Amino acid sequence: SQQGEEDPQALSIQEGENATMNCSYKTSINNLQWYRQNSGRGLVHLILIRSNEREKHSGRLRVTLDTSKKSSSLLITASRAADTASYFCATDGGYSTLTFGKGTMLLVSP
Amino acid sequence: GAGVSQSPSNKVTEKGKDVELRCDPISGHTALYWYRQRLGQGLEFLIYFQGNSAPDKSGLPSDRFSAERTGESVSTLTIQRTQQEDSAVYLCASSFSAALSTDTQYFGPGTRLTVL
Repeated sequence: SQQGEEDPQALSIQEGENATMNCSYKTSINNLQWYRQNSGRGLVHLILIRSNEREKHSGRLRVTLDTSKKSSSLLITASRAADTASYFCATDGGYSTLTFGKGTMLLVSP
Repeated sequence: GAGVSQSPSNKVTEKGKDVELRCDPISGHTALYWYRQRLGQGLEFLIYFQGNSAPDKSGLPSDRFSAERTGESVSTLTIQRTQQEDSAVYLCASSFSAALSTDTQYFGPGTRLTVL
């Protein structure tokens, strides 16, 4: 089964609004990463948060991690049409590979 | 190179034929990963290399799938006797090492495989 599960599966918002995506996982992790995928091709790494961190910022991105609830959230503030993409969380689960969720499809309309 | 490259970008083949997919990682990256992504799905881990050896082959779906890496550089993923369920985008990624607590995986653009 998937280690990371994102919700919602799809999210549609207007430019300027904030977008929040959530990720839940099952086993202990060393870190959790968020990736973006445009048009079903290569993924781009957005941000990594370690298991001993609770919050991390990068530009318009804010990631939180709650290891007690085994969940993370990705907030994109002041969204733009160019943010339209699929967003995946990935966990290492203590192994040397990443396990990805099914992703959240974000559509930002002008 | 500047990034991870994969070839071909698209491959259409007939059921039963063999295909070879190629990945060129970022120079100096010792770890290389193969994933499969079916339409509308997340990434499914297939195999990873540390150097030229593959410590974890657990994700390979069947014995029709194999991969090799030479010179700690290029890797090829071979699918023999392709089936329609093999249709997917095959993504390759590389990282400086396999120490995931600090290393980011950099992805190639993928190869879209269609088996008719």
